[in-house]
Amino acid sequence: EIVLTQSPATLSLSPGERATLSCRASQSVTSYLAWYQHKTGQPPRLLIRDASNRATGIPARFSGSGSETDFTLTISSLEPEDFVDYYCQLCNNWHCTFGQGTKLEI
Amino acid sequence: EVQVVKSGGGLVQPGRSLRLTCVVAGFNFDDYAMHWVRQVPGKGLEWVSGISWNGIGMGYGDSVKGRFTISRDNAKNSLFLQMNSLRLEDTAMYYCVKEGERGAFDIWGQGTMVTVS
Repeated sequence: EIVLTQSPATLSLSPGERATLSCRASQSVTSYLAWYQHKTGQPPRLLIRDASNRATGIPARFSGSGSETDFTLTISSLEPEDFVDYYCQLCNNWHCTFGQGTKLEI
Repeated sequence: EVQVVKSGGGLVQPGRSLRLTCVVAGFNFDDYAMHWVRQVPGKGLEWVSGISWNGIGMGYGDSVKGRFTISRDNAKNSLFLQMNSLRLEDTAMYYCVKEGERGAFDIWGQGTMVTVS
Protein backbone atom coordinates (compact mmCIF):
# COMPACT_ATOMS: atom_id res chain seq x y z
CA GLU A 1 0.00 0.00 0.00
CA ILE A 2 1.39 3.36 -1.04
CA VAL A 3 1.54 6.08 1.61
CA LEU A 4 1.66 9.75 0.66
CA THR A 5 3.38 12.12 3.08
CA GLN A 6 2.88 15.84 2.68
CA SER A 7 5.12 18.54 4.09
CA PRO A 8 4.98 20.87 5.75
CA ALA A 9 1.77 20.32 7.68
CA THR A 10 1.34 24.09 7.92
CA LEU A 11 2.96 26.73 5.73
CA SER A 12 2.87 30.37 6.81
CA LEU A 13 3.39 32.90 4.04
CA SER A 14 2.12 36.28 2.88
CA PRO A 15 0.13 37.25 -0.23
CA GLY A 16 2.44 37.69 -3.20
CA GLU A 17 4.96 35.15 -1.95
CA ARG A 18 5.76 31.81 -3.57
CA ALA A 19 4.49 28.60 -1.95
CA THR A 20 6.11 25.19 -2.37
CA LEU A 21 4.20 22.16 -1.09
CA SER A 22 5.71 18.68 -1.06
CA CYS A 23 4.19 15.22 -1.44
CA ARG A 24 6.38 12.15 -1.03
CA ALA A 25 5.29 8.62 -1.93
CA SER A 26 6.48 5.59 0.04
CA GLN A 27 7.41 3.87 -3.22
CA SER A 28 7.94 4.86 -6.82
CA VAL A 29 4.62 5.60 -8.51
CA THR A 30 3.37 6.44 -11.97
CA SER A 31 2.76 10.12 -12.60
CA TYR A 32 -0.96 9.73 -11.92
CA LEU A 33 -0.64 11.99 -8.93
CA ALA A 34 -3.22 14.72 -8.41
CA TRP A 35 -3.45 17.84 -6.24
CA TYR A 36 -6.61 19.31 -4.75
CA GLN A 37 -7.53 22.56 -3.05
CA HIS A 38 -10.09 22.41 -0.25
CA LYS A 39 -11.88 25.38 1.24
CA THR A 40 -13.98 24.87 4.36
CA GLY A 41 -17.63 24.39 3.52
CA GLN A 42 -17.00 23.52 -0.12
CA PRO A 43 -16.11 20.30 -1.91
CA PRO A 44 -12.46 19.88 -2.87
CA ARG A 45 -11.38 21.16 -6.29
CA LEU A 46 -8.99 19.38 -8.65
CA LEU A 47 -5.97 21.56 -9.38
CA ILE A 48 -3.41 19.29 -11.03
CA ARG A 49 -3.63 15.85 -12.66
CA ASP A 50 -0.80 13.66 -13.94
CA ALA A 51 1.59 15.43 -11.55
CA SER A 52 1.93 18.48 -13.79
CA ASN A 53 -1.21 19.14 -15.86
CA ARG A 54 -3.49 21.92 -14.68
CA ALA A 55 -7.18 21.04 -14.59
CA THR A 56 -9.69 23.08 -16.56
CA GLY A 57 -10.09 26.62 -15.29
CA ILE A 58 -7.18 26.53 -12.84
CA PRO A 59 -5.09 29.73 -12.81
CA ALA A 60 -1.58 29.60 -14.22
CA ARG A 61 -0.04 30.48 -10.86
CA PHE A 62 -0.63 26.85 -9.85
CA SER A 63 1.89 24.34 -11.18
CA GLY A 64 2.89 20.78 -10.40
CA SER A 65 6.08 18.86 -10.92
CA GLY A 66 7.88 15.71 -9.86
CA SER A 67 8.09 12.00 -10.57
CA GLU A 68 8.65 8.62 -8.93
CA THR A 69 8.51 9.46 -5.23
CA ASP A 70 8.78 13.24 -4.98
CA PHE A 71 6.13 15.68 -6.16
CA THR A 72 5.67 19.41 -5.69
CA LEU A 73 2.79 21.86 -5.96
CA THR A 74 3.95 25.43 -6.51
CA ILE A 75 1.83 28.57 -6.23
CA SER A 76 3.93 31.28 -7.84
CA SER A 77 2.35 34.36 -6.26
CA LEU A 78 -0.17 33.80 -3.49
CA GLU A 79 -3.60 35.40 -3.67
CA PRO A 80 -5.70 35.87 -0.50
CA GLU A 81 -8.08 33.08 -1.57
CA ASP A 82 -5.21 30.57 -1.78
CA PHE A 83 -4.85 30.33 2.00
CA VAL A 84 -6.70 27.05 2.46
CA ASP A 85 -5.90 23.31 2.57
CA TYR A 86 -4.14 21.26 -0.12
CA TYR A 87 -3.99 17.48 -0.66
CA CYS A 88 -2.15 15.14 -2.97
CA GLN A 89 -3.75 11.88 -4.10
CA LEU A 90 -3.29 8.84 -6.24
CA CYS A 91 -4.94 5.50 -7.00
CA ASN A 92 -3.21 2.19 -7.55
CA ASN A 93 -4.93 -1.14 -8.19
CA TRP A 94 -8.26 -0.10 -6.78
CA HIS A 95 -6.79 1.46 -3.71
CA CYS A 96 -6.68 5.22 -3.49
CA THR A 97 -4.97 7.39 -0.93
CA PHE A 98 -4.63 11.04 0.05
CA GLY A 99 -1.79 12.76 1.78
CA GLN A 100 -2.60 14.18 5.20
CA GLY A 101 -2.76 17.71 3.79
CA THR A 102 -0.92 21.02 4.01
CA LYS A 103 -2.61 24.03 5.54
CA LEU A 104 -1.54 27.28 3.91
CA GLU A 105 -2.00 30.16 6.34
CA ILE A 106 -1.38 33.88 6.23
CA GLU B 1 -24.29 21.46 -16.44
CA VAL B 2 -23.00 18.72 -14.19
CA GLN B 3 -25.14 17.97 -11.19
CA VAL B 4 -24.44 15.58 -8.38
CA VAL B 5 -27.31 15.12 -5.96
CA LYS B 6 -26.92 13.07 -2.84
CA SER B 7 -29.29 11.75 -0.27
CA GLY B 8 -29.33 9.43 2.66
CA GLY B 9 -27.18 11.20 5.16
CA GLY B 10 -28.31 11.97 8.66
CA LEU B 11 -28.12 10.89 12.29
CA VAL B 12 -27.80 7.21 13.10
CA GLN B 13 -26.96 5.21 16.23
CA PRO B 14 -23.77 3.16 16.50
CA GLY B 15 -24.16 -0.33 15.11
CA ARG B 16 -26.98 0.66 12.77
CA SER B 17 -26.99 0.96 8.97
CA LEU B 18 -27.39 3.78 6.50
CA ARG B 19 -27.45 3.93 2.71
CA LEU B 20 -26.11 6.88 0.75
CA THR B 21 -27.32 7.55 -2.78
CA CYS B 22 -25.75 9.81 -5.38
CA VAL B 23 -27.61 10.67 -8.58
CA VAL B 24 -25.68 12.43 -11.31
CA ALA B 25 -26.51 14.35 -14.47
CA GLY B 26 -24.52 16.21 -17.08
CA PHE B 27 -22.03 13.51 -18.06
CA ASN B 28 -22.15 9.91 -19.27
CA PHE B 29 -22.29 8.20 -15.88
CA ASP B 30 -21.63 4.73 -17.25
CA ASP B 31 -18.33 5.79 -18.82
CA TYR B 32 -16.60 6.58 -15.54
CA ALA B 33 -15.44 5.05 -12.29
CA MET B 34 -16.96 6.64 -9.21
CA HIS B 35 -15.80 7.01 -5.63
CA TRP B 36 -16.81 7.98 -2.13
CA VAL B 37 -14.47 10.22 -0.16
CA ARG B 38 -15.09 11.46 3.37
CA GLN B 39 -13.79 14.08 5.75
CA VAL B 40 -14.10 13.73 9.49
CA PRO B 41 -14.63 17.20 11.02
CA GLY B 42 -11.25 18.83 11.56
CA LYS B 43 -9.37 16.04 9.77
CA GLY B 44 -8.09 15.39 6.26
CA LEU B 45 -9.65 13.72 3.24
CA GLU B 46 -10.03 9.93 3.36
CA TRP B 47 -10.82 7.70 0.42
CA VAL B 48 -13.67 5.36 1.35
CA SER B 49 -14.45 3.29 -1.72
CA GLY B 50 -14.45 3.23 -5.52
CA ILE B 51 -16.16 1.27 -8.30
CA SER B 52 -15.39 0.82 -11.98
CA TRP B 53 -17.68 2.02 -14.75
CA ASN B 54 -19.24 -1.45 -15.12
CA GLY B 55 -19.36 -2.31 -11.43
CA ILE B 56 -16.87 -5.17 -11.71
CA GLY B 57 -13.81 -3.54 -10.19
CA MET B 58 -14.05 -2.04 -6.72
CA GLY B 59 -11.99 -1.25 -3.67
CA TYR B 60 -12.34 -0.11 -0.06
CA GLY B 61 -10.33 1.78 2.48
CA ASP B 62 -9.03 -0.31 5.36
CA SER B 63 -11.23 1.43 7.91
CA VAL B 64 -14.47 0.46 6.15
CA LYS B 65 -13.59 -2.87 4.56
CA GLY B 66 -16.11 -5.55 5.47
CA ARG B 67 -18.67 -2.99 6.71
CA PHE B 68 -19.38 -0.80 3.68
CA THR B 69 -20.49 -1.90 0.20
CA ILE B 70 -20.35 0.24 -2.92
CA SER B 71 -22.60 -0.37 -5.92
CA ARG B 72 -24.03 1.46 -8.90
CA ASP B 73 -27.04 1.41 -11.23
CA ASN B 74 -26.01 2.83 -14.59
CA ALA B 75 -29.59 2.81 -15.87
CA LYS B 76 -30.47 5.28 -13.10
CA ASN B 77 -27.19 7.26 -13.10
CA SER B 78 -26.88 6.33 -9.44
CA LEU B 79 -24.08 5.44 -7.05
CA PHE B 80 -24.71 3.84 -3.67
CA LEU B 81 -22.85 3.27 -0.43
CA GLN B 82 -24.37 0.78 2.00
CA MET B 83 -22.89 1.45 5.42
CA ASN B 84 -23.36 -1.25 8.06
CA SER B 85 -22.13 -1.58 11.65
CA LEU B 86 -21.58 2.15 11.82
CA ARG B 87 -19.12 3.47 14.38
CA LEU B 88 -18.66 6.85 16.03
CA GLU B 89 -15.57 7.38 13.90
CA ASP B 90 -17.62 7.11 10.70
CA THR B 91 -19.07 10.53 11.48
CA ALA B 92 -18.01 12.63 8.50
CA MET B 93 -18.97 14.57 5.42
CA TYR B 94 -19.28 12.07 2.57
CA TYR B 95 -18.56 13.16 -1.01
CA CYS B 96 -19.63 11.42 -4.20
CA VAL B 97 -16.81 11.85 -6.71
CA LYS B 98 -16.29 11.18 -10.42
CA GLU B 99 -12.96 9.80 -11.53
CA GLY B 100 -11.69 11.48 -14.68
CA GLU B 101 -8.54 11.06 -16.71
CA ARG B 102 -5.52 9.39 -15.12
CA GLY B 103 -7.29 8.63 -11.84
CA ALA B 104 -7.95 12.26 -10.92
CA PHE B 105 -11.15 13.08 -9.06
CA ASP B 106 -12.51 15.82 -11.27
CA ILE B 107 -16.13 16.29 -10.19
CA TRP B 108 -17.22 16.38 -6.55
CA GLY B 109 -20.70 16.52 -5.10
CA GLN B 110 -21.53 19.01 -2.35
CA GLY B 111 -21.30 16.35 0.34
CA THR B 112 -23.77 14.76 2.72
CA MET B 113 -23.22 14.66 6.46
CA VAL B 114 -23.40 11.38 8.35
CA THR B 115 -23.45 11.60 12.13
CA VAL B 116 -23.11 8.45 14.20
CA SER B 117 -24.18 9.16 17.76
